[in-house]
Amino acid sequence: AQSVTQLGSHVSVSEGALVLLRCNYSSSVPPYLFWYVQYPNQGLQLLLKYTSAATLVKGINGFEAEFKKSETSFHLTKPSAHMSDAAEYFCAVRRAGNQFYFGTGTSLTVIP
Amino acid sequence: DSGVTQTPKHLITATGQRVTLRCSPRSGDLSVYWYQQSLDQGLQFLIQYYNGEERAKGNILERFSAQQFPDLHSELNLSSLELGDSALYFCASRGESHGANVLTFGAGSRLTVL
Repeated sequence: AQSVTQLGSHVSVSEGALVLLRCNYSSSVPPYLFWYVQYPNQGLQLLLKYTSAATLVKGINGFEAEFKKSETSFHLTKPSAHMSDAAEYFCAVRRAGNQFYFGTGTSLTVIP
Repeated sequence: DSGVTQTPKHLITATGQRVTLRCSPRSGDLSVYWYQQSLDQGLQFLIQYYNGEERAKGNILERFSAQQFPDLHSELNLSSLELGDSALYFCASRGESHGANVLTFGAGSRLTVL
């Protein structure tokens, strides 16, 4: 079955530093992958999605993710962290039957 | 505003009680999903509906039930509540058009069981 694993439940970066949040998937077929962000006391918002059209996917707020089949990874990056990026980030996969399963989440802290 | 409406936003109740959470999907979306988010369990898929029919069940307890009505709104019923049911409950809807097919989440209903 398709699933996703997020490595690191907590990540801290300095303001202006590179953000790298890791997600690995397990799938025997090309997956549909997503990153969502959850700000405090809010619902989840879609950051970006991979649907096999391009391996490098650009999302909102300067985030992007690269699909690497050889590494079964879909890591989320942002060149320069901003204080407003502090949030919980979830990687997700869409399975057959349009079922969506989420990783355990990574809490990003941005240090001024 | 995501277009997915959940009520109530907050609910405090006692063990053994029953509550109903309501969700209205985005206009035009036929699918509704329910998720439970708790500190120790992460985001757990509960159940999925499409145009009034149940399509998939996840980790939903027998004490919980849901349905989707003809007007496409959905309700999640939680009964015989236990302390461990305290969590954020999210509803999400899914668009049908090609290129959409993503989940749009509501703001959630925070349930506290005392």
